[in-house]
Amino acid sequence: DTEVTQTPKHLVMGMTNKKSLKCEQHMGHRAMYWYKQKAKKPPELMFVYSYEKLSINESVPSRFSPECPNSSLLNLHLHALQPEDSALYLCASSPGQGFSEKLFFGSGTQLSVL
Amino acid sequence: DAKTTQPTSMDCAEGRAANLPCNHSTISGNEYVYWYRQIHSQGPQYIIHGLKNNETNEMASLIITEDRKSSTLILPHATLRDTAVYYCIAPSDSNYQLIWGAGTKLIIKP
Repeated sequence: DTEVTQTPKHLVMGMTNKKSLKCEQHMGHRAMYWYKQKAKKPPELMFVYSYEKLSINESVPSRFSPECPNSSLLNLHLHALQPEDSALYLCASSPGQGFSEKLFFGSGTQLSVL
Repeated sequence: DAKTTQPTSMDCAEGRAANLPCNHSTISGNEYVYWYRQIHSQGPQYIIHGLKNNETNEMASLIITEDRKSSTLILPHATLRDTAVYYCIAPSDSNYQLIWGAGTKLIIKP
């Protein structure tokens, strides 16, 4: 199994809602990532988890809250988002966190904030 | 900031070799260069990476100049399914994570 699975594929939420994005991999990878991608732009790193511990937070606003319940799962909890947070949210995993590691991406969650 | 620069877009005829250039004049001697592609509405897909020597795998070849200031990704026999945005990427100095440049939109034409 070489897949990273993200759910839901699409999400529409209001600015007062609370929602969560989910990501799962069963490749035994020990690093997992959240990226944000606006239309026609490259992915931007948000968070990195290594061995289930948060290792990198790229100064992401607190309305985005990551969680890594176990080595296979990664969640992104969303609360009080703004319309400018509308984007494609990508999850990725790699065997380790080293920069020579190959990243495996999911298909993303397309988020719209109204 | 991204350490790589690429042309915004390129066209290539189906069946021909697609050669995608990338400039990375500021990378250091021990930094790899990575290539990923993103087909519309999908997550990015790893293609290949290299340090000094030329690399080849089942998807593509990577030619890195001797001075390591630039590289070229070669798709030997492009198909319509190779239409995608191709990203040439180098690691950040600060946290060693990949910093993605703007990418090249490659359009394969029949």
